[in-house]
Amino acid sequence: DTEVTQTPKHLVMGMTNKKSLKCEQHMGHRAMYWYKQKAKKPPELMFVYSYEKLSINESVPSRFSPECPNSSLLNLHLHALQPEDSALYLCASSRGAGQGEEKLLFGSGTQLSVL
Amino acid sequence: AQKVTQAQTEISVVEKEDVTLDCVYETRDTTYYLFWYKQPPSGELVFLIRRNSFDEQNEISGRYSWNFQKSTSSFNFTITASQVVDSAVYFCALSEPSGTYKYIFGTGTRLKVLA
Repeated sequence: DTEVTQTPKHLVMGMTNKKSLKCEQHMGHRAMYWYKQKAKKPPELMFVYSYEKLSINESVPSRFSPECPNSSLLNLHLHALQPEDSALYLCASSRGAGQGEEKLLFGSGTQLSVL
Repeated sequence: AQKVTQAQTEISVVEKEDVTLDCVYETRDTTYYLFWYKQPPSGELVFLIRRNSFDEQNEISGRYSWNFQKSTSSFNFTITASQVVDSAVYFCALSEPSGTYKYIFGTGTRLKVLA
């Protein structure tokens, strides 16, 4: 299995809803990432988990809450989002050494719309 | 500070034409890594190539080739005999050993290959 699987592919939620995005990989990668991508922009790093510990939080608002239950799973819990949070949310993984040489393997993303 | 510049926002070519996508980077490190990713309309970023700063050999993979020139801090990507399936957004990215999971993405070049 050489894929990063993200669910759901599309999500529409109201500003008072609570929802979760899920990401899964079975390649033994020990680093997992959440990126946010607005239309016609590059991906922006949100969070990185390394060996199931949160390594990087790029000053993301607390309405986004990441979770890494085990080395294969990464969740992003969403609560009280704003319309400007509408974007493509991409999960990625890499082997885990964090020395810059690793390629990222991306999932196909969750297209989120906040009404 | 690290920076990646993709000056071409959008390029349109007719099928079978050759096209070169430019990438210029800035870094103070002597060791660094450069990447190209392809993002088709489906949304997933697909890894194409990684280069380290000590390997200036150009690389060819089928219709794709990459020209790495440290003297001009450029890592350009050429598609020979373009096809409609090459239509996508292409991102150049930079990382450093000290970067700890951070990848600096360029703004991307949208390539449209017309039949």
